[in-house]
This record gives sequence, C-alpha cells and structure tokens, in this order.
Amino acid sequence: DSGVTQTPKHLITATGQRVTLRCSPRSGDLSVYWYQQSLDQGLQFLIQYYNGEERAKGNILERFSAQQFPDLHSELNLSSLELGDSALYFCASSEDIGDTEAFFGQGTRLTVV
Amino acid sequence: GEDVEQSLFLSVREGDSSVINCTYTDSSSTYLYWYKQEPGAGLQLLTYIFSNMDMKQDQRLTVLLNKKDKHLSLRIADTQTGDSAIYFCAESGGFKTIFGAGTRLFVKA
Repeated sequence: DSGVTQTPKHLITATGQRVTLRCSPRSGDLSVYWYQQSLDQGLQFLIQYYNGEERAKGNILERFSAQQFPDLHSELNLSSLELGDSALYFCASSEDIGDTEAFFGQGTRLTVV
Repeated sequence: GEDVEQSLFLSVREGDSSVINCTYTDSSSTYLYWYKQEPGAGLQLLTYIFSNMDMKQDQRLTVLLNKKDKHLSLRIADTQTGDSAIYFCAESGGFKTIFGAGTRLFVKA
C-alpha cells in the first residue's frame, strides 16, 4: 500500500459527460501529480500541484482541469468526455516538488461508452 | 521536447537475467527511475539513480547509466515469475517526470 488513495476505482460513463476523480496523497506529501495511462500513448504526465498551486503542466487537454484543496487532496475533472479518454488515471504524491520519489495510487479506470 | 523510449516486450526464462533498456533525450535530467507495475496496481518505484552516477546495485537489481549516450538499463538477476510486470523508465530534471511507454516482462517457467 503506497498510502495514496484514489477513488473511484472504476468509472463507466457516456460520451459528453463530466466526471471527477479524487486523490488523497500520502500523509505529509505536498505534491500531487496526475497521469493518464492508455494503451496507445503509454503513461503521460498531465499536471502537478504543490501545496495548492499548479506547478507544472503536461499533455493535459483543455477539457480537463484539476485542483488541489487546502487539505491537499486533489481532484481531476474531465468534461465533454470522448471515447478516447478511456484510460487509467493515476495520481502520485511526493513530499516536495521536483526530483523526489513519487508514490502512486492504484488508479481510476475510466471507461467512456 | 523530452522523450523516453523503451522496447515494449521482453521474454526471459526463469533463473536467467533480464535486461531492460531505455533511452532518453533530456540532457538536463537529474534523476532516472525504474518503476514496476503489476497487473491491476499502480506504479511502484523500484530504484533510481542520480545522473552523476554510472551504476547502482540493489540486491537483484543493477542500474547502469551511460550519460553520454543517454542510455539507462535495468538488469534483474535470477529473474523469477513474480518479476513479470511492466517496467517503466522515467527521467526527471525539474518539476515533472517523463515516463517511457513501459516494457512488459514475461518470465517463462
């Protein structure tokens, strides 16, 4: 158990809908990262937050947004969902920003039908 | 932009050594990582190496870094069936970590 909790584990929704994925980082970790893992694109970095502020952005679509709350949990919002958004979404956390060990949650499997 | 590449599949016999290779493009990488993903689970950090090191050994795992060629490898000695998983190479030079697509290791009994 990495200490990073993601909910829900599985999510099935229809195209055009909006979903929210939730992540609780390890106790004491200030940085949260979101990744998307799909069969055709592998593991892609989406966005990073540190202590409530956005720190780095990767290949995140405009239809997606994220935030980190004062209690340090984070949410990834995916809207106007398309079939191609079906993937595993991982959250990871680390103590600090930058080059430190990140601990991954078990992921949320999103299926868009 | 930054890119990390690794082969998609590797098949070895139980007891043999496995070598998983990775190349990266970002010359400013500070840390290079190997993660393991077992079926249905998240990624677990196996080991990492600082960019100023050439080699790191940790029990059955040996990481070799050729910074000039931007080549990283992970050697697993005495590979067991429990080592079957996807292995991700990753590099980090700043806020974000870039991952390769993962190498699926099959271990034949």
